[in-house]
Amino acid sequence: EIVMTQSPATLSVSPGERATLSCRASQSVNSNLAWYQQKPGQAPRLLIYGASTRATGIPARFSGSGSGTEFTLTISGLQSEDFAVYYCQQYNTWRTFGQGTKLEIK
Amino acid sequence: QLQLQESGPGLVKPSETLSLSCSVSGDSISSSSYLWGWIRQPPGKGLEWIGSISYSGSAYYNPSLKSRVTISVDTSENQFSLKLTSVTAADTAVYYCARQPVAADKTFDCWGQGTLVTVSS
Repeated sequence: EIVMTQSPATLSVSPGERATLSCRASQSVNSNLAWYQQKPGQAPRLLIYGASTRATGIPARFSGSGSGTEFTLTISGLQSEDFAVYYCQQYNTWRTFGQGTKLEIK
Repeated sequence: QLQLQESGPGLVKPSETLSLSCSVSGDSISSSSYLWGWIRQPPGKGLEWIGSISYSGSAYYNPSLKSRVTISVDTSENQFSLKLTSVTAADTAVYYCARQPVAADKTFDCWGQGTLVTVSS
């Protein structure tokens, strides 16, 4: 099983600033990596797939990068609605999720 | 507008079988453009993929759950279903169904609201 490790577990950032979230795979997943956002009491929302392709309707302030085992989700100009939990997910071999990064208001 | 809605018992006894359905509206489940998947999330924890199925009935499962999981599709009802046997308290979770577009690498682009299933006697 490919293990996905996200860091940090919690990230405190002020509105308007940039947040950088990391995701590491236990073995290469090529570019088969997605990012999701989840708010309390809601289902996750797809943000990024293919490591860097924004899903339909996702604002340009969300960007993804990386390949192989190291990936990054960057959120520029944080808005109040962006504070949530973020999960990475690999789909190179079956599908596994990271444990999540909670993005909180500083 | 696509909507997915999970339904089924909210309480299941240990050792019994958990059965859920996902009704799809606003799109046809009989499309080669999509897979349809199940994901679960224990309270306060992360996400776990359970399995996925195509409209033709080809299914594939999380290896860690494969011996207990069956996913099926009913194109006439535009829905797909999940069965998980021999449940324990560890299977207590919010269960989500989701669409997986081929065009989006079969990631989960549209989710149901989720349904909480508690395993308890």
